[in-house]
Amino acid sequence: NAGVTQTPKFQVLKTGQSMTLQCAQDMNHNSMYWYRQDPGMGLRLIYYSASEGTTDKGEVPNGYNVSRLNKREFSLRLESAAPSQTSVYFCASSGLPDEKLFFGSGTQLSVL
Amino acid sequence: DAKTTQPTSMDCAEGRAANLPCNHSTISGNEYVYWYRQIHSQGPQYIIHGLKNNETNEMASLIITEDRKSSTLILPHATLRDTAVYYCIVRSRGYSGAGSYQLTFGKGTKLSVIP
Repeated sequence: NAGVTQTPKFQVLKTGQSMTLQCAQDMNHNSMYWYRQDPGMGLRLIYYSASEGTTDKGEVPNGYNVSRLNKREFSLRLESAAPSQTSVYFCASSGLPDEKLFFGSGTQLSVL
Repeated sequence: DAKTTQPTSMDCAEGRAANLPCNHSTISGNEYVYWYRQIHSQGPQYIIHGLKNNETNEMASLIITEDRKSSTLILPHATLRDTAVYYCIVRSRGYSGAGSYQLTFGKGTKLSVIP
C-alpha cells in the first residue's frame, strides 16, 4: 500500500518546454487534487477531480491542464513552462468516509 | 469552504504541551475541522479532524468551542520532531458543491519546539 505516488521527484525545464507530472493513488479514493507550493507560502489548489471523469479548476489553474485517466491516476500537464511555474507540486487524494487528504512526496520543478 | 485564521508562528519548550489555535468564524454546520502538518518540504500529513465534539488520537487532541467558531490543536508532549508548519482547514464531507473540494491551505502556523 504505497498511498499517493508522484513522479518525477525533481525536474528542470527550459522555458517553453512541456512536461507531465504523474500521480497515482492505491486507496480507491474518488477525489484527487494538484497543489503548488511556493517558498514560504501555503498550498494553492491548481485543479481537482471530485470523481472519475470530472475535473475542475482551483485557485491557480492558468498554464496547466489535467487528466483524470482513471480512478487511480491524475496527471498535471504544463504545455509551455514558464519561470513563474517554478514550484513544488503536490498531488493528494481523499475519499469517504473521512475525506482525509493523503499527499504525495512532491515534485520539485525548476523552469529556467 | 470557510476560511481559517492562524498565528504565523509559535514556540514551545520540548516536553511541554503545544496549543495551536485556529479561528473559523464562518464555518457551516456540515463542515468539519481538519488539521495537517508539514515537516520541512514533505507532503502535508493528516493529524486529526472533528465536527463539534472534542477528539483525541495517538498524535494529538482537538478542542472545538461550543459555537464551533474556533478550535485548538493540542500536542500534549511536544518533541523536536513536532517542529513543522501546522494547517487548519474546514471542509464538508462528500459532494456538497464545488466548495467541498476547493480546499484552501493558508500559511499555517510554524511551530518551533525548543530544546
